[in-house]
Amino acid sequence: KAGVTQTPRYLIKTRGQQVTLSCSPISGHRSVSWYQQTPGQGLQFLFEYFSETQRNKGNFPGRFSGRQFSNSRSEMNVSTLELGDSALYLCASSLGDSRGYTFGSGTRLTVV
Amino acid sequence: GQNIDQPTEMTATEGAIVQINCTYQTSGFNGLFWYQQHAGEAPTFLSYNVLDGLEEKGRFSSFLSRSKGYSYLLLKELQMKDSASYLCAVRVYSSASKIIFGSGTRLSIRP
Repeated sequence: KAGVTQTPRYLIKTRGQQVTLSCSPISGHRSVSWYQQTPGQGLQFLFEYFSETQRNKGNFPGRFSGRQFSNSRSEMNVSTLELGDSALYLCASSLGDSRGYTFGSGTRLTVV
Repeated sequence: GQNIDQPTEMTATEGAIVQINCTYQTSGFNGLFWYQQHAGEAPTFLSYNVLDGLEEKGRFSSFLSRSKGYSYLLLKELQMKDSASYLCAVRVYSSASKIIFGSGTRLSIRP
C-alpha cells in the first residue's frame, strides 16, 4: 500500500514568486491536512480538506490556499513568497479515526 | 486559545526509562496523539488516548488525564534509535476536527 506522496521534495524560490505543492494521500483516505514545520514554531496547522471541501483552516494569511481534487489529491499554493515562508511543508492523510495521521516526507521550501 | 506544552529537550541513557510530559489547554478535546519524528523525516504515529488511563504498546506507553489536561509518553529499555523528537498532539473539534501539535521534545540517548 503506497504511503502519502509529496512532490517536489525540495524547492528553491525567490521572494515574490508563487509556489504549488502537491500531495497524494493513501488510497481510500479522503481527509488531507497540511502543516508548516519550522524549528521555532513546530508544526502549524494550515488547512484540512475532505471530499474536495475545506473543513478547517489555521491562522495563516490568505496567501496560503489549497484545494482537493475528486481523487483526493491535494495541492497547496503560496503566493507572493516571503523569506519567512521557508519551511518544511507536510501533508498528512487520515481516515479520521484513532490511527491519526500518516504523513508524507514533506516538501522543503527555501525562499531566497 | 489552544495551547500544548512539552519540554524542549531531554537526555536519557541507553537501557533506562524516560517519561515525556505534555500539558494542554484546549477546547473541544477529542483525543491525544503521540508522534515520533527522526531528524529529516516525517512524523510517525506512536499512540492515541481518548479515555483516561494508560495505553501500553511494547516499549512505549502513553497516559492521559483529561481532567488535568495532562499526558505522558513513557519509553522503556531505551535504545539509541529512540533518539528523536516526540510530538504531543491534540485533536480538537469545533465545526470540524483538526489536530494541533506541541513544539516537540527532542530526546537524546547517550550510551
